[in-house]
Amino acid sequence: GAVVSQHPSRVICKSGTSVKIECRSLDFQATTMFWYRQFPKQSLMLMATSNEGSKATYEQGVEKDKFLINHASLTLSTLTVTSAHPEDSSFYICSARRTPNSEQYFGPGTRLTVT
Amino acid sequence: AQSVAQPEDQVNVAEGNPLTVKCTYSVSGNPYLFWYVQYPNRGLQFLLKYITGDNLVKGSYGFEAEFNKSQTSFHLKKPSALVSDSALYFCAVRDKRASKIIFGSGTRLSIRP
Repeated sequence: GAVVSQHPSRVICKSGTSVKIECRSLDFQATTMFWYRQFPKQSLMLMATSNEGSKATYEQGVEKDKFLINHASLTLSTLTVTSAHPEDSSFYICSARRTPNSEQYFGPGTRLTVT
Repeated sequence: AQSVAQPEDQVNVAEGNPLTVKCTYSVSGNPYLFWYVQYPNRGLQFLLKYITGDNLVKGSYGFEAEFNKSQTSFHLKKPSALVSDSALYFCAVRDKRASKIIFGSGTRLSIRP
């Protein structure tokens, strides 16, 4: 099967610091990775779409300078939350797919708490 | 623009009874439709999808969903609910021309013993 992992699963950071979250496709090469954000008891909101080797496409209202996305290889994408604030506390979920028409697989999520 | 609606925030069902979780969608052209389940503090687990073919789609854990084009609906069903089915369920849609999946607001399913 296709497995997507995220690291760390939980992270606590202080306000003003930056934190990096990794998303890896363990047994397939992902040409596209997606980053979602989920607030408590709410749906997943797509933040950005990243294609390997190119700049990420951000959804409307998502600050690209705050949420830095890098998709440098076919198995790894990173989301860096810069100058984190308590309102950035959320559950971040990544997903990955091989090709535009293939299945999209989801990671287990990373819970970020900014104090 | 594509969108998906789940009109019920919560569905409560007694164990052993049939369950239905509702979903309607709006998309140009023929849609790809999905159901996912999420357990507390976990990522999404794929249940089933409709792309083409039979309107009744069978998925994991005994769930099934019926695609109804005229009503633009894709309701999730199970003939006999289990307590372990209690979780958060998301309907999702993808336009064939679009590259992204859009999720509904989610429905919390609670199965009482």
